[in-house]
Amino acid sequence: EDQVTQSPEALRLQEGESSSLNCSYTVSGLRGLFWYRQDPGKGPEFLFTLYSAGEEKEKERLKATLTKKESFLHITAPKPEDSATYLCAAAYYGGSQGNLIFGKGTKLSVKP
Amino acid sequence: DVKVTQSSRYLVKRTGEKVFLECVQDMDHENMFWYRQDPGLGLRLIYFSYDVKMKEKGDIPEGYSVSREKKERFSLILESASTNQTSMYLCAYGGDSTDTQYFGPGTRLTVL
Repeated sequence: EDQVTQSPEALRLQEGESSSLNCSYTVSGLRGLFWYRQDPGKGPEFLFTLYSAGEEKEKERLKATLTKKESFLHITAPKPEDSATYLCAAAYYGGSQGNLIFGKGTKLSVKP
Repeated sequence: DVKVTQSSRYLVKRTGEKVFLECVQDMDHENMFWYRQDPGLGLRLIYFSYDVKMKEKGDIPEGYSVSREKKERFSLILESASTNQTSMYLCAYGGDSTDTQYFGPGTRLTVL
């Protein structure tokens, strides 16, 4: 069964304490791996798309990487404003165009 | 800039009412999506549309229908609202060759 699993479910960090969020996927041919940020009560905000193993993308304190089985979202020296739920999703060959499988998210809290 | 709007941020309805949730995008995209998001269950696809008057069922279409009379507008209809349809409803567009989807701000629906 095609699925996307995120870990941990929740992560508490001190400001400046770097860490990583994990997204493992089992899909029949990955077409793209997506990361979103979601603030409470709002819609997900697109962050990155990764298409092939070894690919990396960066935005401010965030860096996303991709292997053949999982993706990591690395957060370097986080600040309280990075607190949010981070979602990953996978598009796969064989699925309808535009259909994504979402993970359940990692809720990140950064304390000052 | 990316623009997706949803008709209401918060909505309270009674059991048995017919409910319309509207979504409008200004990016001339063909593909549009409706999801619901519940704690512990993540985002689940209700319906999607890849062209005017074209629609496809997602993973949980029961109790819902959709309408797409114009390219920019995609409506989700709850024929007879029930309490188990209390949820956060998210509209998205995109999913073209890049598979990337962009989300609206969401509608928090409460059915009493």
